[in-house]
Amino acid sequence: KNEVEQSPQNLTAQEGEFITINCSYSVGISALHWLQQHPGGGIVSLFMLSSGKKKHGRLIATINIQEKHSSLHITASHPRDSAVYICAVTPKRTHQFYFGTGTSLTVIP
Amino acid sequence: GAVVSQHPSRVICKSGTSVKIECRSLDFQATTMFWYRQFPKQSLMLMATSNEGSKATYEQGVEKDKFLINHASLTLSTLTVTSAHPEDSSFYICSAPWGVRDTQYFGPGTRLTVL
Repeated sequence: KNEVEQSPQNLTAQEGEFITINCSYSVGISALHWLQQHPGGGIVSLFMLSSGKKKHGRLIATINIQEKHSSLHITASHPRDSAVYICAVTPKRTHQFYFGTGTSLTVIP
Repeated sequence: GAVVSQHPSRVICKSGTSVKIECRSLDFQATTMFWYRQFPKQSLMLMATSNEGSKATYEQGVEKDKFLINHASLTLSTLTVTSAHPEDSSFYICSAPWGVRDTQYFGPGTRLTVL
């Protein structure tokens, strides 16, 4: 059983489309992270959330603590957004990370 | 912003040898660093938490004698894969928290291939 579930696993979109990636988790958390991993392997932390909503450029992340659910939205998607997006949670009172299996996004010009 | 580097970026070694991977925080101090492993087409898996000046904390199923972690200074943690075998071939990544909200900054990763 995976503590973090992501959907969809794979996503192909046309340039300009609005994209949503979902993450559900089953443990009480102190924070949820959205990460971006490019084909070369490098990982960038996009957001760290403990409540509400955050926006950075064309990226928006929301979290509903009661429902144990988070979404990552990309507006006006671009081919350079093509990457694997990973949801990770930090359970309460730990330094552990539980990672989702990732969503592979391909944006076609 | 904070930068974390790893060295080497790629290493190929023979079975039975030991390989050391370095993780450095370049412009900040990190009392804690994390080591992850990622197999092809799979997500990251936390291996251990590296603590400056004390023993590392290993996740369940990770052999501490196999994966030696040393956090000798506030800017450097090393992971040594001892007596490497082909099944240890993987992508190893480190991260360190920094800032008011402890945002994780990831290293670029080290791809280990054991022949």
